[in-house]
Amino acid sequence: GAVVSQHPSWVICKSGTSVKIECRSLDFQATTMFWYRQFPKQSLMLMATSNEGSKATYEQGVEKDKFLINHASLTLSTLTVTSAHPEDSSFYICSAGLPEPYNEQFFGPGTRLTVL
Amino acid sequence: QQQVKQSPQSLIVQKGGISIINCAYENTAFDYFPWYQQFPGKGPALLIAIRPDVSEKKEGRFTISFNKSAKQFSLHIMDSQPGDSATYFCAASKDGGATNKLIFGTGTLLAVQP
Repeated sequence: GAVVSQHPSWVICKSGTSVKIECRSLDFQATTMFWYRQFPKQSLMLMATSNEGSKATYEQGVEKDKFLINHASLTLSTLTVTSAHPEDSSFYICSAGLPEPYNEQFFGPGTRLTVL
Repeated sequence: QQQVKQSPQSLIVQKGGISIINCAYENTAFDYFPWYQQFPGKGPALLIAIRPDVSEKKEGRFTISFNKSAKQFSLHIMDSQPGDSATYFCAASKDGGATNKLIFGTGTLLAVQP
């Protein structure tokens, strides 16, 4: 149980285009999902916290107009990187909160974004 | 006060040995301390987690030791295997991990030599 999926697993796009990444909790409902970014050999950097049906809460320094987050249902959150540039190339990972009695956070497999 | 400090940055252990990774936190409001294992190109996988009402939790070869007064917790991997070679992250949060953000340590790259 507690499986989180992401799609796509990798994507290559041209500079200036937008890319959407989907995050799904497959066997549980998650009121809260999180989006992280990870650079090579570094820790996970939280970008935003997404609650179902409400606006995402972005961490300081993360451009909300560039990284659009939608959490339309209890099993799906999407991250759209708008007008992507090479510096946006990174490993994007989502996670979903498994509610009580577990109260734990499970991660997706990640999406490798390369912007040319 | 939000930081979680993790050490060592890298660790080499012989097969069958014990791997020990340490973390320290400052925020006394933290009450949930998970450890995640990450292989290259994959998302982190929850390994084991502890809450401050116990001082130790064991699951198979993995044990978390928790010292509330020292604000420290550690991961012990017994009988380390080459398949355990990965990056390990400690984390901490308030009120559990389902709805509150995790504060991650900087990670420890573990290499278990055969």
